[in-house]
Amino acid sequence: QQQVKQSPQSLIVQKGGISIINCAYENTAFDYFPWYQQFPGKGPALLIAIRPDVSEKKEGRFTISFNKSAKQFSLHIMDSQPGDSATYFCAASKGDSSYKLIFGSGTRLLVRP
Amino acid sequence: NAGVMQNPRHLVRRRGQEARLRCSPVKGHSHVYWYRQLPEEGLKFMVYLQKENIIDESGMPKERFSAEFPKEGPSILRIQQVVRGDSAAYFCASSLRAVDTGELFFGEGSRLTVL
Repeated sequence: QQQVKQSPQSLIVQKGGISIINCAYENTAFDYFPWYQQFPGKGPALLIAIRPDVSEKKEGRFTISFNKSAKQFSLHIMDSQPGDSATYFCAASKGDSSYKLIFGSGTRLLVRP
Repeated sequence: NAGVMQNPRHLVRRRGQEARLRCSPVKGHSHVYWYRQLPEEGLKFMVYLQKENIIDESGMPKERFSAEFPKEGPSILRIQQVVRGDSAAYFCASSLRAVDTGELFFGEGSRLTVL
């Protein structure tokens, strides 16, 4: 029940295309859902996050869609660029231990020029 | 978060040796969090420390692993008698107050290789 399942494991997109990464969770107590971007040899960097009181959040080319009833959330990267090539992790946490993020297994994104 | 400094960035140990990983939080931050990332996996929570106190160590293996955050100096994650399965990247994050939003900003990590 503590798991966050992420798919796909890897993704190849042409420059300018839309990258879509999906995550699903079981624990309905989760109330914070961030996405992290990680480049090789670096630490994960917070990209965008959402709470279950909204169904969508957009920041620049990055959008999170959240479906509370289905217990799913996804990251959409519009107009994907080669510089977006990285590993993306979804995560979830709950209020009384919000520092204890549960991470998905990651999606390795490659954007071809 | 460029403010969280971890060292060493890379550490090689032979089985049975000890590994010490250091984390200097952002100046003024008194809360530190350690996570471990095994190859090809997401990060997993290990321990949350506040100055001189362990708040939550529920993710820490019961044996060989210990963590501290003394009044002065960096936080230390210590792994005794390392085994090959300890090979991983260890990440630290810090915060000024207890995190209530889940927004953690990680350092660049320490990569441990056990031969």
